[in-house]
Amino acid sequence: KNQVEQSPQSLIILEGKNCTLQCNYTVSPFSNLRWYKQDTGRGPVSLTIMTFSENTKSNRRYTATLDADTKQSSLHITASQLSDSASYICVVTADYKLSFGAGTTVTVRA
Amino acid sequence: EPEVTQTPSHQVTQMGQEVILRCVPISNHLYFYWYRQILGQKVEFLVSFYNNEISEKSEIFDDQFSVERPDGSNFTLKIRSTKLEDSAMYFCARGRRGVNNEQFFGPGTRLTVL
Repeated sequence: KNQVEQSPQSLIILEGKNCTLQCNYTVSPFSNLRWYKQDTGRGPVSLTIMTFSENTKSNRRYTATLDADTKQSSLHITASQLSDSASYICVVTADYKLSFGAGTTVTVRA
Repeated sequence: EPEVTQTPSHQVTQMGQEVILRCVPISNHLYFYWYRQILGQKVEFLVSFYNNEISEKSEIFDDQFSVERPDGSNFTLKIRSTKLEDSAMYFCARGRRGVNNEQFFGPGTRLTVL
């Protein structure tokens, strides 16, 4: 069964600090891995997408890594801002089907 | 500019009533998806729709659910007889097949069943 596990479940950081979110997956066959940002009451918005051959992908202050051997990914947020407060969801695609993680809720405080 | 719009943004209904959730893709894509997210839980796949037909559905998508594209543009999800446990956010997504299987999510409809 395809599964996507994320950690931590939630975290609180001070504005300007960095944080790293983790994603472990058991999805086969692997097509790609995305990180989505979901603001409260809104739909998910894609931040990064990584295919099997990619190790690192950056989008502004978001940097995602992928280790396809260990089936792990991380999302690093640099110099956090208040607007970064949201749920960050790891989504793995296999055969056009998306498997969602439960998300990590990030709260950035001034 | 949103890729997908959904109406209504919030729907409150009585248990046993029928509801229709609507999705309007901005671009003329062929692939559409419905997902739901119960409060505090992960996003769950309901159904995918390609070329005016259901291409895949999950265990959640039982006989009380149906999807249509009645006018070739709007994409609807109908729940025939709502239950309390149907209360959730329902997201429509449009997509395109390819290496990355890009999917663009709408803002969602919050359904509250009383």
